[in-house]
Amino acid sequence: DAKTTQPPSMDCAEGRAANLPCNHSTISGNEYVYWYRQIHSQGPQYIIHGLKNNETNEMASLIITEDRKSSTLILPHATLRDTAVHYCIVRVVYGGATNKLIFGTGTLLAVQP
Amino acid sequence: DGGITQSPKYLFRKEGQNVTLSCEQNLNHDAMYWYRQDPGQGLRLIYYSQIVNDFQKGDIAEGYSVSREKKESFPLTVTSAQKNPTAFYLCASSIGRLSEKLFFGSGTQLSVL
Repeated sequence: DAKTTQPPSMDCAEGRAANLPCNHSTISGNEYVYWYRQIHSQGPQYIIHGLKNNETNEMASLIITEDRKSSTLILPHATLRDTAVHYCIVRVVYGGATNKLIFGTGTLLAVQP
Repeated sequence: DGGITQSPKYLFRKEGQNVTLSCEQNLNHDAMYWYRQDPGQGLRLIYYSQIVNDFQKGDIAEGYSVSREKKESFPLTVTSAQKNPTAFYLCASSIGRLSEKLFFGSGTQLSVL
């Protein structure tokens, strides 16, 4: 089972910031937090990842709390194209050797015009 | 353009029939993965391969088989032993087995006639 908890859905007005929360209270010290998004009937797309420091790239910002038990994905100026399911994922080591990402059900972000 | 190509986009299977889903990548990635997604659900790992001629079972490998004879190709066969094959199938790749980013194809929707 996924080790993260996300609200099932959120709304956001176009042009405003979208803040998507994620709880990962059982995260261990060497596990990263990843965010992907999936537009309907397409494959997921990588957004950003981080360990303990806040991260920013051209798509989004990731804020991780000091205790690392929760994080927030920030889309600074949401567009209609951001309407998608957003997955918060904690990276685990599977079989001792690979990058298995456990995808839960995510948050459906609906950007309203 | 570099990327992952899945084909076909839609596939129909008759009872007792084996079907093969194609996944090709020209990203020169070592690792490849197959995920299954059911409606309203997250992704579940079926099989993964870290290098050519090697692959490992994921969480739900029963009723599926794979091969990795070439670096760029990782076909998935849904056998007649898979009793509930209707799902959206996603192929992904990453630079290495511990790479942070997975790159996904656009998926194949498999339905049973």
